[in-house]
Amino acid sequence: EAQVTQNPRYLITVTGKKLTVTCSQNMNHEYMSWYRQDPGLGLRQIYYSMNVEVTDKGDVPEGYKVSRKEKRNFPLILESPSPNQTSLYFCASSSTGGPYNEQFFGPGTRLTVL
Amino acid sequence: AQKITQTQPGMFVQEKEAVTLDCTYDTSDQSYGLFWYKQPSSGEMIFLIYQGSYDEQNATEGRYSLNFQKARKSANLVISASQLGDSAMYFCAMREGLLNRDDKIIFGKGTRLHILP
Repeated sequence: EAQVTQNPRYLITVTGKKLTVTCSQNMNHEYMSWYRQDPGLGLRQIYYSMNVEVTDKGDVPEGYKVSRKEKRNFPLILESPSPNQTSLYFCASSSTGGPYNEQFFGPGTRLTVL
Repeated sequence: AQKITQTQPGMFVQEKEAVTLDCTYDTSDQSYGLFWYKQPSSGEMIFLIYQGSYDEQNATEGRYSLNFQKARKSANLVISASQLGDSAMYFCAMREGLLNRDDKIIFGKGTRLHILP
């Protein structure tokens, strides 16, 4: 089954404790992206990757890191989480970059930083 | 400046009526794509419909259609014969071409649609 998976689905952590949210897709997609969703703000893009070893900042990259060492995986790293990073996070992928391809979304990761 | 504007934070519609969800966008790119996604209360993001900037006809997918007015930069989602299962949050999104050498994707803030029995 074609899908985007994220782990964990739920995470409660404390300020400053490094964490990684994994994202994997099995569709051989080139483009992958991370979003955060906050009430009243919609989805905001954190980072995206157009292919292996190519990553770019989205609109809200501060406090996050990503890597794309393999085509299928695109982990999101919070080196020192803070309470303002409490949010619902989505990973998504599309076959290529450019304006013509819809994204496939993972199920979301709900993160709480105390 | 906001690139995607959804002016209706919430809407209430009677079951079986048609509903239009508004979306306006701003871009200087000639090549772009517009997307609508549905997010039910369970939280997943479901792709509904796509319109390319060069498409001459409005996109349709079952009960969903996109009223694309390029000159007005609007891409409204129309749901015909609404059903209770249409109650959800709806997001409009834009993906620009590679004119500016980046490939960001911009979402609106969403419209929460409530279908009344």
